[in-house]
Amino acid sequence: QQPVQSPQAVILREGEDAVINCSSSKALYSVHWYRQKHGEAPVFLMILLKGGEQKGHEKISASFNEKKQQSSLYLTASQLSYSGTYFCGDGESWGKLQFGAGTQVVVTP
Amino acid sequence: GAVVSQHPSRVICKSGTSVKIECRSLDFQATTMFWYRQFPKQSLMLMATSNEGSKATYEQGVEKDKFLINHASLTLSTLTVTSAHPEDSSFYICSAQFSSSLAGGRETQYFGPGTRLLVL
Repeated sequence: QQPVQSPQAVILREGEDAVINCSSSKALYSVHWYRQKHGEAPVFLMILLKGGEQKGHEKISASFNEKKQQSSLYLTASQLSYSGTYFCGDGESWGKLQFGAGTQVVVTP
Repeated sequence: GAVVSQHPSRVICKSGTSVKIECRSLDFQATTMFWYRQFPKQSLMLMATSNEGSKATYEQGVEKDKFLINHASLTLSTLTVTSAHPEDSSFYICSAQFSSSLAGGRETQYFGPGTRLLVL
C-alpha cells in the first residue's frame, strides 16, 4: 500500500519554509526520504525508524510521529537548490520501499 | 560513498529487439538491488528485487519473461528488456541496498542515474 503524500506541489520563494507530509493507514516500518531533480536519480536525504524520531540534514529535517503513521519533512529557509520532487518511501523489514506519489517543490528567487 | 552506476544512460532501439541495462555498485557490495520504472512526472514503481545468487522476485503485474534480471555478483545486476515494444519506453532506475554512515548505519537504497529507453 502506497503512502500518501501531501501537498502534491508547492511553490516557495527563497527563504520561505514548507512542510511535506507522508502518511499511511497502517504503521510504517521505516520512512525514507529522497529528492529527485528532473531527469536524475533520487538522492537519499534521511531515514527514520523509530516513533517520535527526528532527524536533520542541513536545513532539511524530518519527524516520525509516535504511532509511526505519519512523517513530515521540513524545508527551512528554502534555497533554490531545494527544488525537485520529494518522495517518501515506506520501508519493509527486508528492504523493499513503497514510494508515495511525490511532492513537487519549486523554489523561486 | 554508496555510489551506483548504470549503463547505458540512454538507449534507442527498434521494436522487437532486446536491451540490456547494467547496474553496478562502485564502492560497496550489494546483496540486494532493486529495479524501478518511472513514467514522466510519476512515482517510482518497483518492478523487481534482485538478490545475488538467486532468482529475482517480481512485483505483481511485471512479466518475468519480458524483464529478465540477473544478479551475477555482489556489484552487478542486469535488466534485459526482451522483445521491446514502444510501450516499454520509460526511465529505468536501479538501486542498491546498503548500510552507510550517510544513513547513520541504517540500511537504505542508493540509486543509479537511470537509463532512458526509447523503443521505436
